[in-house]
Order: sequence, then structure tokens, then C-alpha cells
Amino acid sequence: DAGITQSPRHKVTETGTPVTLRCHQTENHRYMYWYRQDPGHGLRLIHYSYGVKDTDKGEVSDGYSVSRSKTEDFLLTLESATSSQTSVYFCAIRPTGEGEQYFGPGTRLTVT
Amino acid sequence: GDSVTQMEGPVTLSEEAFLTINCTYTATGYPSLFWYVQYPGEGLQLLLKATKADDKGSNKGFEATYRKETTSFHLEKGSVQVSDSAVYFCALSERSNYQLIWGAGTKLIIKP
Repeated sequence: DAGITQSPRHKVTETGTPVTLRCHQTENHRYMYWYRQDPGHGLRLIHYSYGVKDTDKGEVSDGYSVSRSKTEDFLLTLESATSSQTSVYFCAIRPTGEGEQYFGPGTRLTVT
Repeated sequence: GDSVTQMEGPVTLSEEAFLTINCTYTATGYPSLFWYVQYPGEGLQLLLKATKADDKGSNKGFEATYRKETTSFHLEKGSVQVSDSAVYFCALSERSNYQLIWGAGTKLIIKP
């Protein structure tokens, strides 16, 4: 158990509303990641963080922002949700090692 | 750029059959290789890993050998169970940046 929780686990929201997803880890790992998973696209990296206040974009970052004010929390914000952002969102951490990542349980987001 | 190619699914087998899921990769350096498993409605779990050529990763009866000469990391299990039904993802991590490059996933269905 990598000690990763995500909240909320399920959310339905309307187009145009802001949404924030939270990832919390208990083990103080430096690297944290946000992915989205969609049928036919597999896992795609949205943003990642390599320390407090240190973040960078992934391959599908448009429409998303992130913040990391504490080591244990990594927030993903959809400033104005769109139907194309309906997806399952996974957070992951990477301990120092050979590159493996450990995943949270996911958040299923539906934008109507 | 780096990439991972997996055999398309779904793969349907009877219980106790032998399993092979093919995975090949392209990489500029010497990546670490991983297999992840995702059970329905859950997050991704690291199944096994190999960090250098000829390494064999193993876990829960599954095995995969890092073959540099054929750039492959095929997943095998000698006798599958219904509980092995899941989606399996092959991934690589380059040591230059430790980002995970994902295959598209292979859905495995085991029939009793």
C-alpha cells in the first residue's frame, strides 16, 4: 500500500464550473503525477510535480492547472470544466528507485 | 521518441491455460520495464519490473524477461485463473527523466 488517497472518488459537475481534485500521500515522496485514463487513449500524463511549488506540464495539460503547497498534497484544477474532460483521473507517486510509480484509486469525473 | 507496443486485446483464455501478452519497446537509452495490472474499477498496480537486460521480473505467478536483443518484455503465466481477468499495461521508464511511457493496455478475459 503506497498510502495514496484521492478525493472525491466520484464527481458529476456541469460544463463551465471549476473542479479541484485532491491527491494525498502519506510517505513524503518528492515526485507526484496526474494522469487521465480514457478508452482508446490509455494513460496520458497531465502534469507532474518534483517538489513543493515545482510543477511541469505533461502531454495533455491544456485546460488543467496544478498546485503543490505541501509535500503530501497535489491538487488538480479544471478551471472551467468541459465535456471532453469527462474521464477517470489517477494520481501517482514515484519513490526514488528505478522509475516505478504507484497509483491512487482514481477519481471518476463526469462533466454534463 | 520512446514507445511501447502491446498486443491488442481482448485476449480470451480458459482457466489453467498458458498466457502470453506481447510487449515490445523502442528506446534511445537503457530503460527500466514494467507490467501493471488494473482490475475492474480499480487503480493500476505494479505487477513486476526489470531494470536491465536479461533480468526476469516475477510476481503472483507472472513472469517477464527483459530482452534487449529483441526489445521485448513479454508477460507470461503458466496457468491462469478467473481472478487474473484484468487489463495489463506494459510501460518503460528512461533513466534520463523517469517519465513512464505506456502501452495501450491488453484486456485479459479468463473463462471458467
